[in-house]
Amino acid sequence: DIVMTQSPDSLAVSLGERATINCKSSQSVLYSSNNNNYLAWYQHKPGQPPKLLIYWASTRESGVPDRFSGSGSGTDFTLTISSLQAEDVAVYYCQQYFDTPYTFGQGTKLEIK
Amino acid sequence: QVQLQESGPGLVKPSETLSLTCSVSGGSISSYYWTWIRQPPGKGLEWIGYIYYSGTTNYNPSLKSRLTISVDTSKNQFSLKLTSVTAADTAVYYCARWIDSGFGIFEYWGRGTLVTVSS
Repeated sequence: DIVMTQSPDSLAVSLGERATINCKSSQSVLYSSNNNNYLAWYQHKPGQPPKLLIYWASTRESGVPDRFSGSGSGTDFTLTISSLQAEDVAVYYCQQYFDTPYTFGQGTKLEIK
Repeated sequence: QVQLQESGPGLVKPSETLSLTCSVSGGSISSYYWTWIRQPPGKGLEWIGYIYYSGTTNYNPSLKSRLTISVDTSKNQFSLKLTSVTAADTAVYYCARWIDSGFGIFEYWGRGTLVTVSS
């Protein structure tokens, strides 16, 4: 199985400041034939289902605010929230879909400082 | 807008079978991949398996010996059966649909249903 490891486990950021969450895969999720990284990011708020934010490592899902961005390639990826809003408080997960079983990171809890 | 709704018993006894159904509305179950994901209390997300509308399946090896996912296109539903459950199977179970282009990207989710395994 591809193991996904996120850092940090929790993060407190002031409103309007930048939040950065990292995700590392135990093997590359870059498919060389199409140069795509098979990596997605989800936002999970209590009592709600997870929400798809980013896929192909950097493609923003329709309707997701542009303060959310994804970057990275191979085994190292980053989710950045450029200016934290109160509604961004949630747990964030990365997920690889390069190979089954699809696997998620352990989650990063984002709070307001 | 596609909507998914999980249904099934909220309490299952140890060693018995957990059965859940996901009803799809606002779109056809055909031509898409459908998946089950779970989240034990206080833990992260675990992919359970997927089914294509044609019936092709792929299961998480950690659950494969106990798991069956099936689809009923006439009812626009797909289902999960997990046998010989233990307390470790206690979780919120989500059904989800892949994005249009496939590839294991989960775009539409049900609200989830909590299943507790306890005598």
